[in-house]
Amino acid sequence: SQKIEQNSEALNIQEGKTATLTCNYTNYSPAYLQWYRQDPGRGPVFLLLIRENEKEKRKERLKVTFDTTLKQSLFHITASQPADSATYLCALDPWDSGNTPLVFGKGTRLSVIA
Amino acid sequence: GAVVSQHPSWVICKSGTSVKIECRSLDFQATTMFWYRQFPKQSLMLMATSNEGSKATYEQGVEKDKFLINHASLTLSTLTVTSAHPEDSSFYICSARVPSGAYNEQFFGPGTRLTVL
Repeated sequence: SQKIEQNSEALNIQEGKTATLTCNYTNYSPAYLQWYRQDPGRGPVFLLLIRENEKEKRKERLKVTFDTTLKQSLFHITASQPADSATYLCALDPWDSGNTPLVFGKGTRLSVIA
Repeated sequence: GAVVSQHPSWVICKSGTSVKIECRSLDFQATTMFWYRQFPKQSLMLMATSNEGSKATYEQGVEKDKFLINHASLTLSTLTVTSAHPEDSSFYICSARVPSGAYNEQFFGPGTRLTVL
C-alpha cells in the first residue's frame, strides 16, 4: 500500500543544534516533495519544494535533501531557535497533476529548548 | 504567495444546529479547493475536494449529507456542518493549489475551530 511516513512524532532539540526530520514514502514515485510548517491552531505554510533531479535545496537555515533510491527526504534546520518550534509536514503529489490534493505525512512536532 | 482566507476563525454552537464555514481565494481563482479536518495533535485528514460548478468529491467515510460543500464561484467554497454534534468539534482547514504557481504548492487557509456544545 502507499504510505508517507515521518518517523518521529516528536523531536526535542537544544537551541543552536541542527534538527533533522525524516520523511519516507512507499509505493509512490513523486516528481517532487514538499515541506510545510504548521503552528498550533493555524493552517500549514509552505516552506520548500525539492524536485527528483535535485539532491539538495536550501533556504536560509533550512536544507532539504531528496533521495529517490532510498525514497526518503531529510529536512534540516541549522542553528535551531525556539521560534522554530512547530509541526513540520512533508507532502507529495501522487498524480503529479498540480491540481489534486497533496498527500501529507502525519508530521513531526519539533520543540527547540532554550 | 497566494492567499486563502476562512471565516469564521472560530465558532461555538449548540448541538443540532448547522454551521457554515467560508473559504475564499483572495488573489487567484480556484477551480478546486480541498477541505481538511484536524483533531488535536493529529494529522490533516482530507474530507473532500470541492469543484467549482459541480458536486464535491468526498473521501471514504465522510458523510456527504452531514458535510455539505458548495463551490459556487471561482473564489468561494463553503462547508456546512449540518446538525452538528460534539464529535464534529474539530479544526477545519480549506486549501487550494494554484495551477500556475511556481512550485505547485498548496495554500492553506488559517483554519476554523468548531466547538459543538
